[in-house]
Amino acid sequence: KAGVTQTPRYLIKTRGQQVTLSCSPISGHRSVSWYQQTPGQGLQFLFEYFSETQRNKGNFPGRFSGRQFSNSRSEMNVSTLELGDSALYLCASSLRTSGMSDIQYFGAGTRLSVL
Amino acid sequence: AQSVSQHNHHVILSEAASLELGCNYSYGGTVNLFWYVQYPGQHLQLLLKYFSGDPLVKGIKGFEAEFIKSKFSFNLRKPSVQWSDTAEYFCAVNARTGGSYIPTFGRGTSLIVHP
Repeated sequence: KAGVTQTPRYLIKTRGQQVTLSCSPISGHRSVSWYQQTPGQGLQFLFEYFSETQRNKGNFPGRFSGRQFSNSRSEMNVSTLELGDSALYLCASSLRTSGMSDIQYFGAGTRLSVL
Repeated sequence: AQSVSQHNHHVILSEAASLELGCNYSYGGTVNLFWYVQYPGQHLQLLLKYFSGDPLVKGIKGFEAEFIKSKFSFNLRKPSVQWSDTAEYFCAVNARTGGSYIPTFGRGTSLIVHP
């Protein structure tokens, strides 16, 4: 069965612009989580969506937002881009049977460069 | 806030050497623990997990990890590494905070195995 698909794979934007990233989870998975990965900070949890509702949220500013559609596909939006937003953005999906015990399946990521 | 520390950022070994990667977390409540691995050019994937029961857990490819509650540690081990174990390894903790949970990852350890 197909894995987690993230599009686009690469993006180049300039400061002040906004960007939308897309994630299609594994078929049957209803939870989608987003992470920001940078060399200095590692993986940092952005938020999780389940059944079109944000269930958990990390410590990121409101410029970072997301949504989930009825088919479980999710989008993440970053507004007013800053240089520090340059990172690999990873999406992970899970069955979300119990939340804490969920095994996450990761996509290849979208590499965002902000100039 | 909970945190995860991986003490070794870069490890270089020769094939057949033994491996131990340290992982410590700071959280006093119930935790679920994971090790994820990212092979070059591949997605992050689960290596092993601990939820409850036997504190010594076995994962794929001969890896194991031991949960020591008193030390807040979940170290990863392999008796004899292979060149194909070259990858980045991430320790992760899921801990309940209030009514939800936040997955927290360590910064990762880059392992290079020389043939």
